[in-house]
Amino acid sequence: GAVVSQHPSWVICKSGTSVKIECRSLDFQATTMFWYRQFPKQSLMLMATSNEGSKATYEQGVEKDKFLINHASLTLSTLTVTSAHPEDSSFYICSARIDTYNEQFFGPGTRLTVL
Amino acid sequence: AQRVTQPEKLLSVFKGAPVELKCNYSYSGSPELFWYVQYSRQRLQLLLRHISRESIKGFTADLNKGETSFHLKKPFAQEEDSAMYYCALSAIAAGNKLTFGGGTRVLVKP
Repeated sequence: GAVVSQHPSWVICKSGTSVKIECRSLDFQATTMFWYRQFPKQSLMLMATSNEGSKATYEQGVEKDKFLINHASLTLSTLTVTSAHPEDSSFYICSARIDTYNEQFFGPGTRLTVL
Repeated sequence: AQRVTQPEKLLSVFKGAPVELKCNYSYSGSPELFWYVQYSRQRLQLLLRHISRESIKGFTADLNKGETSFHLKKPFAQEEDSAMYYCALSAIAAGNKLTFGGGTRVLVKP
């Protein structure tokens, strides 16, 4: 149980285009999901907290207009990278939390490459 | 602000030798500490958390509030323990979001 999926697993896009990444909790409901970014050989950096039915909470230094987050249901959060540029190329990881246990379950990640 | 430090980027040990991964944290309140592991080409998964006080895959970790540490230990490392290990902290006052350390890569040699 407690499986989180991400789609797509990898994406290559041209500079200036927008890319949407989906995060789904497959067998549980999550009022809170998180989006992280991971650069090569580095740790996970929290980008934002996604709250079902309300606006996301962004970490300091993360542009909310650049990284649009929508948590429309208890099993789905989406991250849209708008007007992507090569510096946005990274590994994006989501997690979904089971509040009762305060435990986060992680997705497999999405590798974004912007040409 | 909460901060997690893992001073070792790489630990290389021989099979059967003990291994200890250091983790220090800074937080003024009462945090919850976790160890996550990421095996090659797999997603991040929880290894253990301090409130459960259990041993998982032979690993243990004790929260030392005096030294603000949560070191991960295993007396006899196995080759399948080779992975990336992340120490993480969460706090209710901060919305229970996780702050990760920089990670330690463990390589267990045969």
